[in-house]
This record gives sequence, structure tokens and C-alpha cells, in this order.
Amino acid sequence: AQTVTQSQPEMSVQEAETVTLSCTYDTSESDYYLFWYKQPPSRQMILVIRQEAYKQQNATENRFSVNFQKAAKSFSLKISDSQLGDAAMYFCAFQPQGGSEKLVFGKGTKLTVNP
Amino acid sequence: EPEVTQTPSHQVTQMGQEVILRCVPISNHLYFYWYRQILGQKVEFLVSFYNNEISEKSEIFDDQFSVERPDGSNFTLKIRSTKLEDSAMYFCASSEVTSNQPQHFGDGTRLSIL
Repeated sequence: AQTVTQSQPEMSVQEAETVTLSCTYDTSESDYYLFWYKQPPSRQMILVIRQEAYKQQNATENRFSVNFQKAAKSFSLKISDSQLGDAAMYFCAFQPQGGSEKLVFGKGTKLTVNP
Repeated sequence: EPEVTQTPSHQVTQMGQEVILRCVPISNHLYFYWYRQILGQKVEFLVSFYNNEISEKSEIFDDQFSVERPDGSNFTLKIRSTKLEDSAMYFCASSEVTSNQPQHFGDGTRLSIL
């Protein structure tokens, strides 16, 4: 069974600074997808970034980038030039490729952005 | 941008009653999902639905639960004979024509069982 671990229940960052959120996972699959979702307070979960495991190049999406280390089963999210609107719960999620469609989530990291 | 919409945002129900949670997936999406998040715990997969049938379900999704696509737009989760431990946030999600496309989530329905 796949598991996803987010070891940081809470993180804080100063506005305009950079923060990295950690995520590790455990799987015996070789092909899969990894995601970071953002959930602002009382709002829906929004896809931030997606990484295919077969791609060595780290995904980037504007100020958001990942450090994907397949051998270490690590998938961290870096937020550059943090903005107040980045404050949210961030969930790391795993999805096997082919077959199961379910997402396996971590417990989340609450990010606070200080002005 | 199209969104997944869920109603109601908060549902309070007496233990033992039936509850129906409603979702309107994004219009061109064909895969639908329900997840739940008990307070302080992980978001957990309940069920996926494609082509008018369940394609996968978790061990949580027992006979107490059922899903239905009653018309061309709604996707519902029915919980029969609710228990206190069913109190949670329930999220609906949908994805495009092929699986492994990103899932788009609704705002969730907070279900409180008294």
C-alpha cells in the first residue's frame, strides 16, 4: 500500500521569502504521479503542481517548483517570493499510473505567510 | 474557470438518519470521486465512478454508502443510517476523459452527525 508522509504540520515564511515543504512517500510502483494541492481556509483544494515519475526534470509552475528525488522517494515543494495569498494547507498526494485512480494524501502542512 | 460545486456546504443530521451529499462535476469530466477528511486526519479516498458504475472503492465505502449519477449533471453520495464517526468533510472531485488526469476538487461539505 502506498503512504504519503508530510513531516511538517506547520510552517511559516516571511512575505517575499522562499519556503520548502517536505513530502516523502512509499510505493513499490515504478510509474506514478505526484501532486501538490493547496487548500485556502474554507476553500476548495486547488492543484498547484504535478510531476510524472518517469520525468527526471522537476516540474515548475511560476513561483512553485518541486524537487523530485525518485530514489529517495522525496517530493518537496518550493515556493519562491511568498505572497500572503499563499497561506493555506498544502497537501502532497500520490497516484499510481494506470489501474487505480485514487489519490493517496499526506496529512498536510499549514503554511502561514507573515507580512 | 469551471469548478466542481458541492451542496450543501454544511449538513447537520441526527444519528441514524440518511443524508445525501450533492456534487456537480465539471461538465466535460467523466471520472468522479468522493473523498472524506475526518477532522485532524488525512484526506481519504472513498470511491471512484466512471461510465455509470463504481470503478474503485476503499474499505471505508461499505454497504452504508452509495453513489449515483441521477442525471447528466449531478453526482451524489448517500450515507444511510449515519453514525457519529461519519462526521467529516466530504470532497467531490472530477477529472477528464482519461484517468490519471488531475482531479479537480469542490469546496467540500462539512457533515456533522449529532
